[in-house]
Amino acid sequence: NAGVTQTPKFRVLKTGQSMTLLCAQDMNHEYMYWYRQDPGMGLRLIHYSVGEGTTAKGEVPDGYNVSRLKKQNFLLGLESAAPSQTSVYFCASSEPLDSYSTDTQYFGPGTRLTVL
Amino acid sequence: QKEVEQDPGPLSVPEGAIVSLNCTYSNSAFQYFMWYRQYSRKGPELLMYTYSSGNKEDGRFTAQVDKSSKYISLFIRDSQPSDSATYLCAMNAGGTSYGKLTFGQGTILTVHP
Repeated sequence: NAGVTQTPKFRVLKTGQSMTLLCAQDMNHEYMYWYRQDPGMGLRLIHYSVGEGTTAKGEVPDGYNVSRLKKQNFLLGLESAAPSQTSVYFCASSEPLDSYSTDTQYFGPGTRLTVL
Repeated sequence: QKEVEQDPGPLSVPEGAIVSLNCTYSNSAFQYFMWYRQYSRKGPELLMYTYSSGNKEDGRFTAQVDKSSKYISLFIRDSQPSDSATYLCAMNAGGTSYGKLTFGQGTILTVHP
């Protein structure tokens, strides 16, 4: 049981290049999330998905796109990378409980992205 | 103003000390309060979870929520070097905002032997 895995672990891009970050989870969770973590800013939600084939915008969605074609995978795309997107990206997944409680999010190890 | 404010520290304490970590928030709709621990170059992991006001204890860790003051705390007793990490508070309103967490900036804690 690997939990949440992220590919790649590190990446360096030039301004204007594109790339896709892959997140995979083997816990059969319905919900998946993409966050970015920057110094002094904590974790900020980029996009999330409440099930296969669904996506929704989070707090900082501009410049990113996502897809959830399979339940276990959540892809984050950068169409034209900018230096402001230099960050550590975390994927998380969770299983919704009843309406009277909240879910535990399980995080992957992160992807360190540098845009030059 | 951020919805959740957390003193980033860094906080350095000797082994065995009692550590107090705190967050304040402005959104009165928040009902679920969590503390995540993040070791260097790792993803965050859930440490404690509290619903509404009150205290919750788990071993050396105690989480407190005071909704009237919009203030939450995490206490670590008999701190150990292995507690050295970044501690992030997180909150959620439940209902239609289910699953969408708002995080504090994180407090960097170092416990030295």
